[in-house]
Amino acid sequence: GENVEQHPSTLSVQEGDSAVIKCTYSDSASNYFPWYKQELGKGPQLIIDIRSNVGEKKDQRIAVTLNKTAKHFSLHITETQPEDSAVYFCAAPLAPFGNEKLTFGTGTRLTIIP
Amino acid sequence: EPEVTQTPSHQVTQMGQEVILRCVPISNHLYFYWYRQILGQKVEFLVSFYNNEISEKSEIFDDQFSVERPDGSNFTLKIRSTKLEDSAMYFCASSGLAGVGETQYFGPGTRLLVL
Repeated sequence: GENVEQHPSTLSVQEGDSAVIKCTYSDSASNYFPWYKQELGKGPQLIIDIRSNVGEKKDQRIAVTLNKTAKHFSLHITETQPEDSAVYFCAAPLAPFGNEKLTFGTGTRLTIIP
Repeated sequence: EPEVTQTPSHQVTQMGQEVILRCVPISNHLYFYWYRQILGQKVEFLVSFYNNEISEKSEIFDDQFSVERPDGSNFTLKIRSTKLEDSAMYFCASSGLAGVGETQYFGPGTRLLVL
């Protein structure tokens, strides 16, 4: 099955600076990679995702890059703001069943320092 | 914006008791999921459900667990005889389809505490 590793486990960034979180996956057949943000006491919320036919996707201050050869993908947050403080999870589906089963990374607690 | 809802938000129960966690998926979605998150750990897949039957389940989802869609709107997770290690946050999710790239939308979770 899919194994997803996520680093770092905690990350503190000065407000306005950039944050990068990295994930690696084991199944080369995986083809969809979502990122979820979990705020305290809430469920995970999708913030961005990428499919394997593209190498990068951007949505305002958030971007995701994918390197299929190396089997890793990264979340980039630029111009960080206090409201970006949360736990971020990467995920990958169990191929070849699409996203029926998401395997999550261990999470990164991001703290934005005002 | 449509959202997944879950009740109750918190549940405290005694070991050995049965609990039912309830979810109302997004109305036009066809695929439903339960995940759990033990405090401080990652989110783990439990089960997926489509067309009134389980389509996939993890090794965590043993005979103590069952799921049901009793009517056109609710999706439930039942734990027959709770154990201490069942204490966790349980998330329901739903998606419109199950193809690659179909977003799973998560509910706010039910925090279950087994004493």
